[in-house]
Amino acid sequence: QKEVEQDPGPLSVPEGAIVSLNCTYSNSAFQYFMWYRQYSRKGPELLMYTYSSGNKEDGRFTAQVDKSSKYISLFIRDSQPSDSATYLCATQLITQGGSEKLVFGKGTKLTVNP
Amino acid sequence: GAVVSQHPSWVICKSGTSVKIECRSLDFQATTMFWYRQFPKQSLMLMATSNEGSKATYEQGVEKDKFLINHASLTLSTLTVTSAHPEDSSFYICSARGRNRFGQYFGPGTRLTVT
Repeated sequence: QKEVEQDPGPLSVPEGAIVSLNCTYSNSAFQYFMWYRQYSRKGPELLMYTYSSGNKEDGRFTAQVDKSSKYISLFIRDSQPSDSATYLCATQLITQGGSEKLVFGKGTKLTVNP
Repeated sequence: GAVVSQHPSWVICKSGTSVKIECRSLDFQATTMFWYRQFPKQSLMLMATSNEGSKATYEQGVEKDKFLINHASLTLSTLTVTSAHPEDSSFYICSARGRNRFGQYFGPGTRLTVT
C-alpha cells in the first residue's frame, strides 16, 4: 500500500461547479497535510496546509482532514478555468533523524471548462 | 516572497555526460533544500535533503555517487547528474525551506532529456 493514495483522474467539470479532491494516507505519524497546485511544466505551489482534523477555509478553497479515517479533501467552490491544473496532496512527517519528509500523492488533473 | 528559481529549465544531453542543475532561493535564506524527481503521471519522489554546509541525506535507492548534491550557501544548491543515461530523463524539482517559515517552496523544475 502506498503511503498516500490519490485518484489521478482526470477530472473535468463545468465552470462554477464544486470540485472535490481526495486522498487517503496510511501512516498515523504524518503530522501536516497539504495541498499543492501544479501547472503543466511548473513546480508545485502550496495552496493550503492543515495540522489537525477539521476544516480550513481560504477563499474558494476548503481543506478538510479526518485523522480517524486518514482522509484528506480539498473542495473548490465556484471553480474557474484558471483552476485547471494538477492538484497534489502531500503529508509531512518528521523522520527519526529529525528531518522533515514530504510524501506526495500522484496528483489529480483537473480541467474546468468555460 | 519565497521565490525559488532553477536553471536551466530544460536540458538535453548525450548519454555518458554530466549535467548540473542549480536551485536558488531568491528572497530568503534556505536552511534546507530538497531535490525531487517526477516521472510522467507519477508523484514527486524525494531524492535527497541537504542542509547548508552539510552532506546531503539521500533516500533509499538513490545513488549518491550518481546524483551529487552541493549546498554551499544559504541560497544555492546544485544537483549534478553524473554519467547520465536515458533512464535518468525526468523532471527534477528542487524546494527550499527557510528559517521560521512553514513548508517547502518549489522551484519551476528542470526537464532533463538524455539521448
